[in-house]
Amino acid sequence: AQTVTQSQPEMSVQEAETVTLSCTYDTSESDYYLFWYKQPPSRQMILVIRQEAYKQQNATENRFSVNFQKAAKSFSLKISDSQLGDAAMYFCAYRSYNQGGKLIFGQGTELSVKP
Amino acid sequence: DAGVIQSPRHEVTEMGQEVTLRCKPISGHNSLFWYRQTMMRGLELLIYFNNNVPIDDSGMPEDRFSAKMPNASFSTLKIQPSEPRDSAVYFCASSLLNTGELFFGEGSRLTVL
Repeated sequence: AQTVTQSQPEMSVQEAETVTLSCTYDTSESDYYLFWYKQPPSRQMILVIRQEAYKQQNATENRFSVNFQKAAKSFSLKISDSQLGDAAMYFCAYRSYNQGGKLIFGQGTELSVKP
Repeated sequence: DAGVIQSPRHEVTEMGQEVTLRCKPISGHNSLFWYRQTMMRGLELLIYFNNNVPIDDSGMPEDRFSAKMPNASFSTLKIQPSEPRDSAVYFCASSLLNTGELFFGEGSRLTVL
C-alpha cells in the first residue's frame, strides 16, 4: 500500500522569506500524481500544485514550486516570498493512476508566517 | 461552476442519534470520496465511488457507518447510532475518473455530545 510521510509537523518562516516543506512517499507504481493542498483556518482544502510522475520538469505555480525526485520518492514544496496569507496546514498527497485513483494524504505540516 | 456542495455545514447531535451528511459533486465528475478529519488521525479516506459504485470502503470505521450514491449527483454518509468519537469534520470530494486532483467541499463539522 502507498504511504505519504511529512516529517515536519510545524514550520515557521519570516514574511518575504523562502521555506521548504518536505514530503516522501512509498509506492511500487511508476505512474501517479502528487499534490500539495493547503488548508487555512477556514478548513477549505485548496489545491496548491500538482505533479504528474511521468513529467521530469518540476511544477511551478507563481511563488510555489516543487522539487520532485522520483528515484528518491521525494516531493518537497518551496514557497518563495512568503506572505501572511500562506499560513495554513499543508498536506502532501499521492494519487495512483490505478486502483480506482484514491488519494492518500500525509499527516500535514502547519506553517506559520511571522510578520 | 458550482463546486462540491456539502450539507449541513455544522451538526450537533446527541449520542445515539442518526446523522446524515449529504454531498453534491461537481457536474461531470464521476469519482466521489468521503474523508474524515480529526486532530488525532488526520485525513482518513472512508469510502470512494467510481461511476456511483463503491470501490473501496475499507476505511469505514464500523457498521455504524454507511454511504450511498444513488445517482451521479448525490451521495450520503450516514452514522447510526452516533457516538462522541465520531465528532470530526467530514469532507466530500469529487474528481474525474482516475485522473487529476480532487475538488473538496467545505466540510461538515459534526459534534456528538
